[in-house]
Amino acid sequence: QKEVEQNSGPLSVPEGAIASLNCTYSDRGSQSFFWYRQYSGKSPELIMFIYSNGDKEDGRFTAQLNKASQYVSLLIRDSQPSDSATYLCAVNPNAGGTSYGKLTFGQGTILTVHP
Amino acid sequence: NAGVTQTPKFRILKIGQSMTLQCTQDMNHNYMYWYRQDPGMGLKLIYYSVGAGITDKGEVPNGYNVSRSTTEDFPLRLELAAPSQTSVYFCASRHPMVPNQPQHFGDGTRLSIL
Repeated sequence: QKEVEQNSGPLSVPEGAIASLNCTYSDRGSQSFFWYRQYSGKSPELIMFIYSNGDKEDGRFTAQLNKASQYVSLLIRDSQPSDSATYLCAVNPNAGGTSYGKLTFGQGTILTVHP
Repeated sequence: NAGVTQTPKFRILKIGQSMTLQCTQDMNHNYMYWYRQDPGMGLKLIYYSVGAGITDKGEVPNGYNVSRSTTEDFPLRLELAAPSQTSVYFCASRHPMVPNQPQHFGDGTRLSIL
């Protein structure tokens, strides 16, 4: 069983729409959750992190966390063609103590925003 | 401020050759990590280090070795290159004391083994 699962997509949305990206994780003790954006041929760059249940908003991006359901999502409002990229969900697991910041990544969801 | 610097950016190796991927950071981060990313996949942790002289295995350590003699440098060594090691390798670092800090990534090394 994969520890962090994402729908690989591709997810295609029209410009101006809301893109919804989902992620589930298996380790119930996981503490921190990160969304990275990765353009083709580039390194991952952090968009948002969340560690408390509920919503966290930053500009056009909203991260949602539901620890009871082991589910984290990323909403992108007013999607732009420049948002077209692979979005990686990463989880900081609870390794029975300090996890030294190690991250477990999902396989990523490819998002395409078409004009 | 350079952040995390990886060299080389590209490399082609023959089967059985060895090489070292270099990673250095100038942010005084104690925590450093090596990941590999295969096409269409997420990142998988190879090795990590929590400080000079301290390293530990990640999810996919076979075929690799690391060392950490200084806070700044965390090289990754491939001893006998195999086609299965064709991948993009990312080095990352993180501040250990600030909760929920993200990892900072280098630009990656694209390695092909033929």
